[in-house]
Amino acid sequence: KAGVTQTPRYLIKTRGQQVTLSCSPISGHRSVSWYQQTPGQGLQFLFEYFSETQRNKGNFPGRFSGRQFSNSRSEMNVSTLELGDSALYLCASSESRSEAFFGQGTRLTVV
Amino acid sequence: TQLLEQSPQFLSIQEGENLTVYCNSSSVFSSLQWYRQEPGEGPVLLVTVVTGGEVKKLKRLTFQFGDARKDSSLHITAAQPGDTGLYLCAGVWAEDSNYQLIWGAGTKLIIKP
Repeated sequence: KAGVTQTPRYLIKTRGQQVTLSCSPISGHRSVSWYQQTPGQGLQFLFEYFSETQRNKGNFPGRFSGRQFSNSRSEMNVSTLELGDSALYLCASSESRSEAFFGQGTRLTVV
Repeated sequence: TQLLEQSPQFLSIQEGENLTVYCNSSSVFSSLQWYRQEPGEGPVLLVTVVTGGEVKKLKRLTFQFGDARKDSSLHITAAQPGDTGLYLCAGVWAEDSNYQLIWGAGTKLIIKP
């Protein structure tokens, strides 16, 4: 069974630009969660999607948004990028609310 | 707001030594998970502890859930260089239909040969 796939792996963007990250969950998993990971801050929960609906949302500004498609693939978008948005963005899929399977992440650098 | 404090943040020890990582909170969790993350990879689940006082062993790793389900520890016996990585604890918080994983900040562990 293929794991969680995140694309792209690395991204460099300029302040003010927007970015879209993609996540393909494990086949059969309907829940996809997104996290931001920065040194010293650990994993910060962004949002969770289940069957194309946002089921849960963390404390991030409205510049961070996401969506999920009918095939469970998910995208997250960050608009008006700030330097502080530089981080590793991780996607996790799960079949039930038990174990989360993570992708390798997208390393976003904002310059 | 649920918080999970993980300590120490960084630990560098010699091969063969023992170590303990702690996760503490004032909140009660339904269960608690421990993950290990290697550079360039996402976290991988090691274990889930569910019952207060529960102890689980995974080879040289021993995980314990506090009696009140507010804290947990990870003890590694005779650490090896292959244990190097970032260890993360995550408390499972569930209330009504809300469900969240509350993450500790992580413990960066380096085992020197």
